Amino acid sequence: DSGVTQTPKHLITATGQRVTLRCSPRSGDLSVYWYQQSLDQGLQFLIQYYNGEERAKGNILERFSAQQFPDLHSELNLSSLELGDSALYFCASSPRGHPLSGEQYFGPGTRLTVT
Amino acid sequence: KNEVEQSPQNLTAQEGEFITINCSYSVGISALHWLQQHPGGGIVSLFMLSSGKKKHGRLIATINIQEKHSSLHITASHPRDSAVYICAVEHWIIQGAQKLVFGQGTRLTINP
Repeated sequence: DSGVTQTPKHLITATGQRVTLRCSPRSGDLSVYWYQQSLDQGLQFLIQYYNGEERAKGNILERFSAQQFPDLHSELNLSSLELGDSALYFCASSPRGHPLSGEQYFGPGTRLTVT
Repeated sequence: KNEVEQSPQNLTAQEGEFITINCSYSVGISALHWLQQHPGGGIVSLFMLSSGKKKHGRLIATINIQEKHSSLHITASHPRDSAVYICAVEHWIIQGAQKLVFGQGTRLTINP
């Protein structure tokens, strides 16, 4: 158990809908990262938050957004869902954002299926 | 060409064999991570290294910064080592911001 929790574990929804994925980092970790793992693209970095502020953006679509709250939990919002958004979404946390990242601890993932 | 290349893509071995998985990358990095993804999907961080060598139990990871190459070794392999092993390189985008770029993974199967 990494100490990172994600909810829900599974999510099935229809095209065009909007969903919210939730992540609670390990106690004390300030950085949260979101990743997408699809069958054809593998693991891809989406976005990083550090202590409530967005720090880095990767291959995140405009239809997707995220935020980190004062209690350091984070949410990833996916809207206007398309079939191709079906994937495993992982959250990870690490103690620091700078100057050295440190090891990342991954949550169990949320499997999103868009039908 | 992908920024991070792993080889082999698939590896099947017998229990007890010494396993080597390779990772090559094409740009400067601040660190390299080895991850293990279990058949159920969960991801575990095995190592983070920026130089030299690290060992944890039967696992050994090495990195050669000059050659932009890392290897993950498993000694005395066991069927429970069967998983996908993923190499990821860490880039600093700006101060305080980093991202991981992942290899495509190596699927390891250890037969009893």
